[in-house]
Amino acid sequence: DAGVIQSPRHEVTEMGQEVTLRCKPISGHNSLFWYRQTMMRGLELLIYFNNNVPIDDSGMPEDRFSAKMPNASFSTLKIQPSEPRDSAVYFCASSPRTSGTVTFYNEQFFGPGTRLTVL
Amino acid sequence: TQLLEQSPQFLSIQEGENLTVYCNSSSVFSSLQWYRQEPGEGPVLLVTVVTGGEVKKLKRLTFQFGDARKDSSLHITAAQPGDTGLYLCAGANGNQFYFGTGTSLTVIP
Repeated sequence: DAGVIQSPRHEVTEMGQEVTLRCKPISGHNSLFWYRQTMMRGLELLIYFNNNVPIDDSGMPEDRFSAKMPNASFSTLKIQPSEPRDSAVYFCASSPRTSGTVTFYNEQFFGPGTRLTVL
Repeated sequence: TQLLEQSPQFLSIQEGENLTVYCNSSSVFSSLQWYRQEPGEGPVLLVTVVTGGEVKKLKRLTFQFGDARKDSSLHITAAQPGDTGLYLCAGANGNQFYFGTGTSLTVIP
């Protein structure tokens, strides 16, 4: 079975450029999460969706960051304009959501990540 | 401000030794998870605990959730080189979810 798919795996761009990261969750999973991992701040939850609807985006660092989930099989995280401090590994994860409100109880399946370097 | 502090930050031990990793917070969590992450990969779930005082065992790994649901520990018995990796605790409270600072474990053959 295919796991969570992220693309690209590596992205190098120059400051000011637009960056789009892509994620295909596991088929049948209802919840999708975007994380950022750095040495300084560790792994941070940026935003998550339930049934394609953004539930909490309080972790999105600035208005330069935006995320969309147009359908159950695709999500994007966009940074515009990018800055050197955005350099990090960005992970997408998905999980099967049961009925109820305990979203984070279920196992999250992580993709391999996108390593972003902004020069 | 990190809600979940893990200790130690780095740990290097010989194969066969035992070790304990701690995850501490001043906040109460409805559930707590432990993940292991290997270089170049995403974290993989090891266990979820939800009840204060709960103890779960996974082969040589023993996980405990504190009585007050503010802290947790991971104990590994007879560590093996395959246990090498970054261990992360993660706590949930309502719509919030936080990962700990991480413990990087190296088991030397």
